[in-house]
Amino acid sequence: GDSVTQTEGQVTVSESKSLIINCTYSATSIGYPNLFWYVRYPGEGLQLLLKVITAGQKGSSRGFEATYNKEATSFHLQKASVQESDSAVYYCALSEFNSAGNKLTFGIGTRVLVRP
Amino acid sequence: ETAVFQTPNYHVTQVGNEVSFNCKQTLGHDTMYWYKQDSKKLLKIMFSYNNKQLIVNETVPRRFSPQSSDKAHLNLRIKSVEPEDSAVYLCASSWDISYEQYFGPGTRLTVL
Repeated sequence: GDSVTQTEGQVTVSESKSLIINCTYSATSIGYPNLFWYVRYPGEGLQLLLKVITAGQKGSSRGFEATYNKEATSFHLQKASVQESDSAVYYCALSEFNSAGNKLTFGIGTRVLVRP
Repeated sequence: ETAVFQTPNYHVTQVGNEVSFNCKQTLGHDTMYWYKQDSKKLLKIMFSYNNKQLIVNETVPRRFSPQSSDKAHLNLRIKSVEPEDSAVYLCASSWDISYEQYFGPGTRLTVL
């Protein structure tokens, strides 16, 4: 079946430093899956951060970027300079549509703690 | 701004009881979903419901059943809870089955 593997556990980074969360995926459909990054800020619900549906394209939002790399089956999330408000749990996910309908498969989540 | 609402926020019950969780979305979406987030924080889809078509994840036990009165509501009933049902249950909706999903805040279930 489909799977998403991302940086596990907690990542601690100082404010204004760069951040990267690794994500690789395995999809069973013949076509290309849609790729997403979701985020859960403290006290809030899960929300979409960015998505990319075309291989080779880059998505960006709130200073974060992720490039859909079909060859490497990767979708790493990066930010050049983080802020305290970026402290959250980040989930990489893929979406496939097949005869069984739409299915969203999540990674295990990466907790990011930004220290002042 | 919250547009997918879930009640209750949390629920504690005993093994064998029946529980029901509510979900309502005000986005006008056509598809709704239920996910389970277990103690390892892994999110797994349980059901998707689109235009009265129910798609079930084959790993979901039969004691779980979704209930929908209209496309804005998708409730989750668990007939006889077991300890392994302790988890956070997340409801989500989307315009169509190929669009991004919007999530509710979740309902935390603890089974004693």
